[in-house]
Parts: sequence; structure tokens; C-alpha cells
Amino acid sequence: GNSVTQMEGPVTLSEEAFLTINCTYTATGYPSLFWYVQYPGEGLQLLLKATKADDKGSNKGFEATYRKETTSFHLEKGSVQVSDSAVYFCALKDYGGSQGNLIFGKGTKLSVKP
Amino acid sequence: DAGVIQSPRHEVTEMGQEVTLRCKPISGHNSLFWYRQTMMRGLELLIYFNNNVPIDDSGMPEDRFSAKMPNASFSTLKIQPSEPRDSAVYFCASTISGGNQETQYFGPGTRLLVL
Repeated sequence: GNSVTQMEGPVTLSEEAFLTINCTYTATGYPSLFWYVQYPGEGLQLLLKATKADDKGSNKGFEATYRKETTSFHLEKGSVQVSDSAVYFCALKDYGGSQGNLIFGKGTKLSVKP
Repeated sequence: DAGVIQSPRHEVTEMGQEVTLRCKPISGHNSLFWYRQTMMRGLELLIYFNNNVPIDDSGMPEDRFSAKMPNASFSTLKIQPSEPRDSAVYFCASTISGGNQETQYFGPGTRLLVL
């Protein structure tokens, strides 16, 4: 079945450090891939997405490239800020398979220290 | 746009009591999702509706949980009777179904504590 695996946290970085959060997926069909972010005390919100192989999603300095050959969608940011502290969820939606609800990874908590 | 609205934001109840969580999706959205989030299990999809019809309720933990969507602008998730292990944050999300640009919009969640 479809699944998403992302690196376990927590991840603790200093401000201006480089961030990578790994995400790999298993899917039938042709999934769209997403990164959602959850700030403390809030619901999830879409950070970025990519709908086909080699697409790059980007937003707020974050980027992720849809790599079909490695079934990956790693999240990166060149210089993190304290305000980026949150939980990040990788997710997929498989349009070639079943109904296509989102399948989420377990989330990776990021803490950025000043 | 007001976004997805959930109520109450916090609920504390005693074991055995009935709990009703409410959700108002974004106007015009035709799919609605209920999720549960805990530290142990992460984010779990409980049930989702398309055009007010339940499509997949395989994530509903047991018969104590039920969900309804009587119209396009309102849904409830009911737990009867509640148990301490139901303590979690419950999220509602909505989207426009169809095509490949389906972003889910989440509400702020209801934090439930069952004593």
C-alpha cells in the first residue's frame, strides 16, 4: 500500500544552519507530494507541493524536489530561523490508486535555537 | 475567508460522557476530513466525506465513534461513551475534490481531555 517515511526527530539546529528533512514514499499510481507544517498550537498548513517527477516545490525559503528514481521528496532550507520551529509532515496523494486521501508521515519536530 | 472553523477549541470531560466536536468547512469545499493527533500515534485519518457522503471510515477506532455531515457546511464527530484513551487533538480539514491540486485546509483543532 501507499506509505510515507520521514526522518524521526526532534531536529535541533542553530539559527542560519542548513536544514534537510528526509522523506521517502511508496505508492501505486502517480502521487502528488506535499510538505505540511504545524506551528505550536495550530492546525497543519500546506508549505509546498509537487505534482509530477522533477517538479520543485518552494515556499518561504523551503524547497523540495520530486525524485521519482529515488522515491524521495526531501525538504531543505538554506538558513533556518527561530520562527521555523514547528513540526513538518511529508504527505502523498495517489491519483492513480484509490480515492486519493492524503497519507501523512509521522512528522519531524524542528527546533531552531537563536 | 474564515477558514475551517472547529468548536470547541478545548474540551475536558469525564470518562463515560458523550463528546461532540463540530466543524464548519470552508464554503465551496466538497470534501471534509476528520483526523486525530496523539504523541504516540501521530496524525490518523478517522473518516472523510465527499459531497456529504462518508467515503472511508476505516480509521474510526470503534463503534463509540460516529461522524455525520448533514449538509455541506457542517459536520460532527461524536464519541459516546468517551474514554481516557480518546484524549487527543482532533482536526477537521476540507478541500475541493477533483483534479490534482487538492490542498487540504486544516482547522485549529479541538484539544480533548477525558479524565
